[in-house]
This record gives sequence, C-alpha cells and structure tokens, in this order.
Amino acid sequence: GESVGLHLPTLSVQEGDNSIINCAYSNSASDYFIWYKQESGKGPQFIIDIRSNMDKRQGQRVTVLLNKTVKHLSLQIAATQPGDSAVYFCAEAAYGGSQGNLIFGKGTKLSVKP
Amino acid sequence: EAQVTQNPRYLITVTGKKLTVTCSQNMNHEYMSWYRQDPGLGLRQIYYSMNVEVTDKGDVPEGYKVSRKEKRNFPLILESPSPNQTSLYFCASSLSKAVTLWGQGVDTGELFFGEGSRLTVL
Repeated sequence: GESVGLHLPTLSVQEGDNSIINCAYSNSASDYFIWYKQESGKGPQFIIDIRSNMDKRQGQRVTVLLNKTVKHLSLQIAATQPGDSAVYFCAEAAYGGSQGNLIFGKGTKLSVKP
Repeated sequence: EAQVTQNPRYLITVTGKKLTVTCSQNMNHEYMSWYRQDPGLGLRQIYYSMNVEVTDKGDVPEGYKVSRKEKRNFPLILESPSPNQTSLYFCASSLSKAVTLWGQGVDTGELFFGEGSRLTVL
C-alpha cells in the first residue's frame, strides 16, 4: 500500500497535462516490455506492452516508446487525470534469458494535482 | 470474474512460526508466480511455476517454499519466518511466460496480480 511509494522517483503533474514516465532497462537482450500501474493498496495492473521489433505502440490515452539504442522505455499519458495517480513500473523480459520471466524496475510515483 | 485471490491479506506473526499464504486463480492459467515488494527495491520474484508439479526459483527464493499440486493453486510457504521476510507479497498468473506467449504470436504476456498479502514477522 502506502509504503510502496516511499523512496521512489516522483513525477508531479497538473490535471489535464501530459505525463511522461521514463524507464532505463538493463538487458540489451530484452525482447519484450510491459508497463504496469499500481494504485495504493492494490496489486499491479497491466497498462500496455511492446515488442522489441516496434518502437512505438498506442493504447487508450497511453503511448509507449522504445529506444533500443539507449535501452530506454517511456510511457506517455495524455490528459492526465487524478485517477492516474499511482506508482508505474516498467518490466522487461528476454527470450532465452535467465528464466524468460519479467524483471521489474523500481517504479515511479505519479502524483496528479487537481 | 477473472481474478487471483490471496489469503490472508494481512498477517502478523512471530519468528519461527510456520505460515502459508494461499493463492488461487480462476483463469486456467499455466503460469503462476510469487513476488515480494519492498520500499526502494520494487517487485522481486521469489518462485514461479510453469505448470502443475513444475516450480523454479526466482531471484530471492531463500526462506520460502512453494508447491503446485493443482493448476489453480500456488501456495507460498514460510517454514520458519524471520523479520527480514516482513514484506508485501503478490501472487500473479498468466497464460504462460511473457516471452513464450510472444514467440507464439500472442499479443500480450500480461500478468494478473492478486491484491497482495502484507506480512509482518516480529
């Protein structure tokens, strides 16, 4: 719950603005990436995913950008709403990697000001 | 309703007293996994299971055991809990491993998470 957000990078945005959450991943062999959202007191929820053969994917109000050259992933949220306040995690997985399981980043806390 | 159910949601126990956190999913998923979440450390995988009777260690398996006797259940067992196992625990399931799904042309390797179990070991 609340303790999840401690010690995390925090992004504070005004309601209605666009948000950009960044993630640097570690394994150049990673093939698959997912963004999760975790609200206070709840488990993580899937937002959007992207494969390494793509550099952009769009969902409803969200866009994920992948830059494999610099191992960087970003999540863009359009017209940010108070309900978007949460901790956001990126996760990576590598086909044929140590276990092929998702490896999660430490998360970024998004705070939306009304 | 598709869901992953964990019990108990909250537990305070003492060092050395064996406990089990249950996890059940109703989506006929093959893959199940346990994570612990600690401030500043994110989600770390404890154990995972690819199918019935198939389990493997994750990144932080020490002090934990799991079993997968049925497809829907994946209990986490702490034989002798210690204070450093105080944490927020999440069970998750998916059709299969993310990358296996990707290789088969399925669009998503989405993990479905339970609501979490907050464990305190005194």
